[in-house]
This record gives sequence, C-alpha cells and structure tokens, in this order.
Amino acid sequence: TQLLEQSPQFLSIQEGENLTVYCNSSSVFSSLQWYRQEPGEGPVLLVTVVTGGEVKKLKRLTFQFGDARKDSSLHITAAQTGDTGLYLCAGTDSWGKLQFGAGTQVVVTP
Amino acid sequence: DTEVTQTPKHLVMGMTNKKSLKCEQHMGHRAMYWYKQKAKKPPELMFVYSYEKLSINESVPSRFSPECPNSSLLNLHLHALQPEDSALYLCASSPDGGENSPLHFGNGTRLTVT
Repeated sequence: TQLLEQSPQFLSIQEGENLTVYCNSSSVFSSLQWYRQEPGEGPVLLVTVVTGGEVKKLKRLTFQFGDARKDSSLHITAAQTGDTGLYLCAGTDSWGKLQFGAGTQVVVTP
Repeated sequence: DTEVTQTPKHLVMGMTNKKSLKCEQHMGHRAMYWYKQKAKKPPELMFVYSYEKLSINESVPSRFSPECPNSSLLNLHLHALQPEDSALYLCASSPDGGENSPLHFGNGTRLTVT
C-alpha cells in the first residue's frame, strides 16, 4: 500500500511554464521531505516542511505543507531545462521508516 | 559532488558470483541506509544501521548481506543473485536517523545480474 500518493506521475512542459506537483496521504506526518533525482544520480534533498500551513521558497520553487499535515505541494515558476528530474516526496511512517511517494517525472523542454 | 561515495558505479555479475558494494561518508553521520531502486520507481528501503548496529531489515533475502565495519563505512555483500535483482543500489546517511533527519544519498551502484 502506497502511503504517499503523488500526482501527476509524469509532466512534460516547455521552458518558462509553471508546474505543480502534489503529494497526498490519508495519514498525518510530522514532516515531509522533497527530493529531486536526476538521471544517473541519487536523490538530493530540496526541503523539509514541518509546520502545518508552512510555505517555503527556494528560488523558483515553492513548497507548501497542508494545514492538516497530510499533504504537500511543490510549485515551480518559470521552469528551466535544469528542473528536469524525478521529484519525490517522503514522510516518516508510524514505524519510524521514511516512505517515498511513487514520484513525478518532470521533463522541461527548450 | 555527493558527500556519500559509492563504489563501484557499475557492476555486472553472474548468478554464481560473490561481489560487494561499498559506501563511505565522512560527515559524522550515525545512521546509514541501503535502498534499491528499479527504473522509474522510488527507492525501496532494504537496511538501516544506526550507531553501527542493524536496526531495520525490510525482509530482504539472505543473498543480500549488509555490514557496517565502522561509522563511516557500509558494505552490501552479494551472493547468488537473480536477474530480477538488477537495479540501482543507493546508499544514504543521516545525522542520527531521527524522524525529520534528512537523507544524503550517494549516486548509486548500477547492478546488472546476468
């Protein structure tokens, strides 16, 4: 059973467009993490959101944690080809293990 | 460059071979992890070491044998693997393995079992 559901599974956009990736669960998380993985590399942590309703900005990336701490979103403004990658959300389950969502593959074309 | 170093980057082995994957970090992290990742899928947890002791084994077959010689090193010994074990094997570390502790991943070993 997938604890964290990500949508969409795949997203292809052109440079300059905006995009949003969603991470949803029926469970409450004390925190959620977002990672980006590029081909041939391991995932790299982008951000950790901890407080319900929290909004964090990382240059053109905006991360939001839902008020109920069951969902999160990642919004990219004016996407660039360097934003291409697999975006993964992750949260710690009740057994203390970090569980990953299925991921959203983002492709940004010139 | 990642601060978690994995060797080798690529490995091809037959089903009767014995090989080892190595992982090293010098960030002073006390938790280390092995993940398996198939193409277009998220990483799946295999093992967790916390303070050099095995704390989580996700029912991984015994043909995978982890070892943590010291706080900086993590090995994964492979024996009698199956073709379906072909995958990217990722090592990660975190400061203390706590709930909000971020993971630092290596770039993985791409394993092909023939």
